[in-house]
Amino acid sequence: DQQVKQNSPSLSVQEGRISILNCDYTNSMFDYFLWYKKYPAEGPTFLISISSIKDKNEDGRFTVFLNKSAKHLSLHIVPSQPGDSAVYFCAASGGYGGSQGNLIFGKGTKLSVKP
Amino acid sequence: DAGVIQSPRHEVTEMGQEVTLRCKPISGHDYLFWYRQTMMRGLELLIYFNNNVPIDDSGMPEDRFSAKMPNASFSTLKIQPSEPRDSAVYFCASSLGHSPLHFGNGTRLTVT
Repeated sequence: DQQVKQNSPSLSVQEGRISILNCDYTNSMFDYFLWYKKYPAEGPTFLISISSIKDKNEDGRFTVFLNKSAKHLSLHIVPSQPGDSAVYFCAASGGYGGSQGNLIFGKGTKLSVKP
Repeated sequence: DAGVIQSPRHEVTEMGQEVTLRCKPISGHDYLFWYRQTMMRGLELLIYFNNNVPIDDSGMPEDRFSAKMPNASFSTLKIQPSEPRDSAVYFCASSLGHSPLHFGNGTRLTVT
């Protein structure tokens, strides 16, 4: 039973356009959400996060939106660059005593940005 | 900052053999995590430590798996005996308090 779902295994976008990666969750106790990026043969690297008390967090070209009522979050990358090509993981925590260690990951979305 | 260091990067072993994966967390970090990534289940938390003490090992698949953290700069994940279904990429991660996790580059384990 997946508590964090990324329903699109892959996404292809043209360079300069917007990339939108989606994530759904089922546990209403989650209170902190993160996005990680992963290149082949490397570990995931932290990209951006959002607390459940907010509905938007922005960092440069990356913006994460949280819709608590829909239990949905999305990552927007504008403009997309070829170097953004990677697997993006959505993760959630909370509801387990608050430790961020209990991160529940989605299965990832592979983003390809074409020149 | 060398980041989280894992060794070996690749491990190929035969079923029944003992496997030991190693991790050196970032200096000063007080949390250490072991994750496993498979195609079927994605990234799963196996166990995590706080100040070298195991806090939650509910993700450890079975008694064949054990993890130790003898000091703040070293941790091991051992599988004995190993089975083909243990084949996966094993990641170690560390953090300072509740800051975002820093992952190592993983150990790809293949059990034949």
